[in-house]
Amino acid sequence: AQKVTQAQTEISVVEKEDVTLDCVYETRDTTYYLFWYKQPPSGELVFLIRRNSFDEQNEISGRYSWNFQKSTSSFNFTITASQVVDSAVYFCALGLYNQGGKLIFGQGTELSVKP
Amino acid sequence: ETGVTQSPTHLIKTRGQQVTLRCSSQSGHNTVSWYQQALGQGPQFIFQYYREEENGRGNFPPRFSGLQFPNYSSELNVNALELDDSALYLCASSLAGTSPNQETQYFGPGTRLLVL
Repeated sequence: AQKVTQAQTEISVVEKEDVTLDCVYETRDTTYYLFWYKQPPSGELVFLIRRNSFDEQNEISGRYSWNFQKSTSSFNFTITASQVVDSAVYFCALGLYNQGGKLIFGQGTELSVKP
Repeated sequence: ETGVTQSPTHLIKTRGQQVTLRCSSQSGHNTVSWYQQALGQGPQFIFQYYREEENGRGNFPPRFSGLQFPNYSSELNVNALELDDSALYLCASSLAGTSPNQETQYFGPGTRLLVL
């Protein structure tokens, strides 16, 4: 079975704190794709990053960084020096090669950054 | 913004009615996917259209149907609405090369449907 688990339902931090959002996935496929999306209150899902299963290189983009570890089936997301504008619901998603375009989403983590 | 547009933004229907939601894909994108997101949940895949045909389908009953037009825009139709159909309906577009199954999906703002 394929599944994405985001164990943290809600996280609250104070501005400038670092915060890590956890994502654990399950699949027996060897080719798969992992994504992070941000959903602000307006509702639109904003694409943040994509990682292919054969590329375990970690990535940094400004204050955002991602740690992909196949050995633990995890794809964690860290925001450094958080800002109020980072407040949103963050979703991790799994895409499989032969699933007709289906993305499997986790339940989401609601991040609240307080000034 | 992704360039994916959806209409209407909000809709109120009563149980048993039918509804049509519309999506225009980002310029140059040829694949459209639809998702249902209930309050407090992650989006659930309904189906994907590629080259005007259904490429994949999630665990939704046949009363959920769709179309893709030659300009790559798409419609989601839901018949015999039920109270549990109340949700945010998200459309996503992507550019498929050799396969539509592995491309990054870019989402629109969604349509909020309330069924009374």
